Amino acid sequence: RKEVEQDPGPFNVPEGATVAFNCTYSNSASQSFFWYRQDCRKEPKLLMSVYSSGNEDGRFTAQLNRASQYISLLIRDSKLSDSATYLCVGGSMFSGGYNKLIFGAGTRLAVHP
Amino acid sequence: NAGVTQTPKFRILKIGQSMTLQCTQDMNHNYMYWYRQDPGMGLKLIYYSVGAGITDKGEVPNGYNVSRSTTEDFPLRLELAAPSQTSVYFCASSYSTGRNTEAFFGQGTRLTVV
Repeated sequence: RKEVEQDPGPFNVPEGATVAFNCTYSNSASQSFFWYRQDCRKEPKLLMSVYSSGNEDGRFTAQLNRASQYISLLIRDSKLSDSATYLCVGGSMFSGGYNKLIFGAGTRLAVHP
Repeated sequence: NAGVTQTPKFRILKIGQSMTLQCTQDMNHNYMYWYRQDPGMGLKLIYYSVGAGITDKGEVPNGYNVSRSTTEDFPLRLELAAPSQTSVYFCASSYSTGRNTEAFFGQGTRLTVV
């Protein structure tokens, strides 16, 4: 089983729609979680960290459910510029005590007029 | 502020050739990573480093080597290139991997092995 799993999509939505992505992680020791955005043929960039209590940044809301080991990203009022691949990231521990960042395969979002 | 710089941006290698992908960061970050991304796929961790002189294997280390002699530099070495190593390679760095830490990525190196 992959350590971080996402639905690859694509999600095709009209402008103004609300869309939600889920991501599951298998390592219960994972301590930190993030959503990154990757545009076509570009490097990933941090969209937002995910806090246990949930957090919001403008039109974006991230949630963490430790009991079920999943995180989610909600995008409200989708814009054409939101079209990208969204990568779920979990930070988990190596046996040596160091953290590593594990990326999911990404969920593609296409917003159309 | 340059951030994370990778060179070269593009490279075509013949099977069996070697090359070094360069990565340097000017943010004084302790953690550095090498990922590869195959077409339509996510990022897979090749190697990572938590500080100068310390490196460790990630998920897909076979066929690669790294070194971390300074905080700034984290080169990735391919000794005997194979077609399976055709991919986009991303170097990244972060201050830590805690909750509020952002990983910064270089622009990637597109490698084709023929």
